[in-house]
Amino acid sequence: ETGVTQSPTHLIKTRGQQVTLRCSSQSGHNTVSWYQQALGQGPQFIFQYYREEENGRGNFPPRFSGLQFPNYSSELNVNALELDDSALYLCASSLAMGTGGTNTEAFFGQGTRLTVV
Amino acid sequence: LAKTTQPISMDSYEGQEVNITCSHNNIATNDYITWYQQFPSQGPRFIIQGYKTKVTNEVASLFIPADRKSSTLSLPRVSLSDTAVYYCLVAKDTGRRALTFGSGTRLQVQP
Repeated sequence: ETGVTQSPTHLIKTRGQQVTLRCSSQSGHNTVSWYQQALGQGPQFIFQYYREEENGRGNFPPRFSGLQFPNYSSELNVNALELDDSALYLCASSLAMGTGGTNTEAFFGQGTRLTVV
Repeated sequence: LAKTTQPISMDSYEGQEVNITCSHNNIATNDYITWYQQFPSQGPRFIIQGYKTKVTNEVASLFIPADRKSSTLSLPRVSLSDTAVYYCLVAKDTGRRALTFGSGTRLQVQP
């Protein structure tokens, strides 16, 4: 158990719809990152939030957006769903120690399996 | 970000030691080497992390030569439950940075 929980575990949506995925980070962690993992591939970085601000973004279009709340939990929103958005969406939480801090690791949740039909 | 290269797949039998080598020729001075394990439909699980020489925990050992251009994850006496995909990552401060996953090494343990 990593202490990172994601909801829902599974979801089926229709092309063109919007979806919101949720992540509760491990207690004491201030950074949340989201990843998309297509079948048979490694996770791909979507974006990261640090203290409620976006702190880096991967190669994903603007219809992928997110939020981080004061308790450091996070949401991933995807608008105008496409069939290729079908994937396992992973949330990872970590404790960023500031610049030059001790290296820490990221802990992943179980993921949300999104199917777009 | 340093690119990593690792075998696509490996096969082993229960009770054997498994060594998975990862190549990272462009590793930077401040980069750490981290290995994750992932079972189907689950999130990656942190296994071990190191900077140089050898690191050992209750799950695995990580061997890093002096030039740090490669690393070897060693799993002692594997069991069927070790069947998973293993990812080698190289990054500075993995708590703050985006992690770049490759395709990983798919380990199949046979009885």
